[in-house]
Amino acid sequence: AQTVTQSQPEMSVQEAETVTLSCTYDTSESDYYLFWYKQPPSRQMILVIRQEAYKQQNATENRFSVNFQKAAKSFSLKISDSQLGDAAMYFCAYRSGARLAGNTPLVFGKGTRLSVIA
Amino acid sequence: DSGVTQTPKHLITATGQRVTLRCSPRSGDLSVYWYQQSLDQGLQFLIQYYNGEERAKGNILERFSAQQFPDLHSELNLSSLELGDSALYFCASSAYPSTGELFFGEGSRLTVL
Repeated sequence: AQTVTQSQPEMSVQEAETVTLSCTYDTSESDYYLFWYKQPPSRQMILVIRQEAYKQQNATENRFSVNFQKAAKSFSLKISDSQLGDAAMYFCAYRSGARLAGNTPLVFGKGTRLSVIA
Repeated sequence: DSGVTQTPKHLITATGQRVTLRCSPRSGDLSVYWYQQSLDQGLQFLIQYYNGEERAKGNILERFSAQQFPDLHSELNLSSLELGDSALYFCASSAYPSTGELFFGEGSRLTVL
């Protein structure tokens, strides 16, 4: 079974600075998706960014980018120009079988709580 | 708004009772997933349905059951409730084929006293 590990339970960053959240995963598959979800105090699960394993280019969404190292099974999230609204719990997630997308559940890490200091 | 609707948003009940949580997926989505999030914990996968059939099962207790109806809405039934069942229960849906992500509802907060 696939596992996702987030080794940083808590992180903090100064407003306007950059922070990187770590995630590693274990799989024997070659075809999969990786995600970062954000959970603010409202508890809503919000998709931050998505990466298909077959794509070598790292995904970017505005101030959010990933460093996807497939061989190392590492998938870190970089938040640039941090804002107070970025304060939340961040979950890394894995989904197997990109070609079967829509038919498998997400496997989540335990999360990293990010605080943003004004 | 993700398009996934969950009811009720909050529910308080006593130990030993039974509750039903309801989920309506996004229009056209055939897959429904249920997750449990205990206090300050990650999301634990419970069960998945695809077009009315059970597709995958995770860490779901025998006291819990679910089903997906012909109109694609889903219900999660929790019985013989214990204090430890207090949690946020999320429903999510996805299309097939899809861009991969799940779309989550706002969750149902269950408190067992």
